[in-house]
Amino acid sequence: GQNIDQPTEMTATEGAIVQINCTYQTSGFNGLFWYQQHAGEAPTFLSYNVLDGLEEKGRFSSFLSRSKGYSYLLLKELQMKDSASYLCAVGEAGNMLTFGGGTRLMVKP
Amino acid sequence: DARVTQTPRHKVTEMGQEVTMRCQPILGHNTVFWYRQTMMQGLELLAYFRNRAPLDDSGMPKDRFSAEMPDATLATLKIQPSEPRDSAVYFCASGLDPQVNYGYTFGSGTRLTVV
Repeated sequence: GQNIDQPTEMTATEGAIVQINCTYQTSGFNGLFWYQQHAGEAPTFLSYNVLDGLEEKGRFSSFLSRSKGYSYLLLKELQMKDSASYLCAVGEAGNMLTFGGGTRLMVKP
Repeated sequence: DARVTQTPRHKVTEMGQEVTMRCQPILGHNTVFWYRQTMMQGLELLAYFRNRAPLDDSGMPKDRFSAEMPDATLATLKIQPSEPRDSAVYFCASGLDPQVNYGYTFGSGTRLTVV
């Protein structure tokens, strides 16, 4: 099974940079996913890492260290619309996804 | 714009009644997941299918829940009998394995309230 930990809440200022951490313990690993979920909406896919290192997509980047069981999502130039929950998910054998509890990010002016 | 379609969007039912939720995955996707989301438990995997075959339903209470894929365009999740503790948002997601680097696409969910 999986144990996935991420902070419950974070607050940051518009225009700033925020890093959301995720640690996991796994019996199998087929990649790490990040999803964004606005209140009352469905999760939407942000990124996927299967090899160690940094993946950059515009203002969002995701990092993975498999040996440390650690990932982070980095959001740059924060905008008010980035206020949402950010979900870390680990792919197990067969690409079954197990999600962490999510980090609720509040962006303040 | 391809999307996963779930019906109904909202369902209010009385305890003991049968509830059926439906999902139409994105055309061509071979993997379908059912998740339940509550404030307390977050997103919990209930069941998933690949090429219509059930691969894992260990997260699903077997005595009252059942999940099926009668064909490639329809997945169903049934609760019989429903209980107040089943109140949650139920999401369906689909994807194309092994191209998981594109992620899985979630439907808008069914918000179930059992009174």
